Amino acid sequence: QVQLVESGGGVVQPGRSLRLSCAASGFTFSNYGMHWVRQAPGKGLEWVAVISSDGSNKYYADSVKGRFTISRDNSKNTLYLQMNSLRAEDTSMYYCARRYCSSGGRCYLDYWGQGTLVTVSS
Amino acid sequence: SYVLTQPPSVSVAPGQTARITCGGNNIGSKSVHWYQQKPGQAPVLVVYDNSGRPSGIPERFSGSNSGNTATLTISRVEAGNEADYYCQVWDSGSDHVVFGGGTKLTVL
Repeated sequence: QVQLVESGGGVVQPGRSLRLSCAASGFTFSNYGMHWVRQAPGKGLEWVAVISSDGSNKYYADSVKGRFTISRDNSKNTLYLQMNSLRAEDTSMYYCARRYCSSGGRCYLDYWGQGTLVTVSS
Repeated sequence: SYVLTQPPSVSVAPGQTARITCGGNNIGSKSVHWYQQKPGQAPVLVVYDNSGRPSGIPERFSGSNSGNTATLTISRVEAGNEADYYCQVWDSGSDHVVFGGGTKLTVL
């Protein structure tokens, strides 16, 4: 079965960096695009970034563009999110999710991990 | 950027039908997906491509999309359906995923 397991969260001071990982199993990782989505405490879902199956295409939310970098290692079945210049407003649960596209090219997030919590605080 | 508008809350008695709306400019031309999130849990896809239902999701969950409004309908609501529900589209203009603000479904 599809499994996505995030790790790397924790407490970090403003301005510092953190790298999140998402280990994938139960499917051919290199065939799927992947997303990062976050959720601040008590708030709604906020999309962060997406990467294509081969890593060649990446898109970011305006709130993180220039600070966060999404990447993947298909040999390790792992997705990453490098977060630099962290701010208090980046405090959130961070989820990775698989991007599934139907034959009509319509795409959605069909499997989600359980998330890893990032707290930015001095 | 594209904006999706959901009511903050919807309440319904057990056994009744809940309808959760998602408004957006000409959203009928887009493919809308819906996610359920229970407290302390990750989101779960409940409807894809406006009206598709993933395996394991009860037939009581259905969706529609026309004009400026997409709707998630849950028939014969049960206490276990209490959750936050989010609509989502892909904004091709900005190459961004867009989520609605979420609707808290309360079963009275």
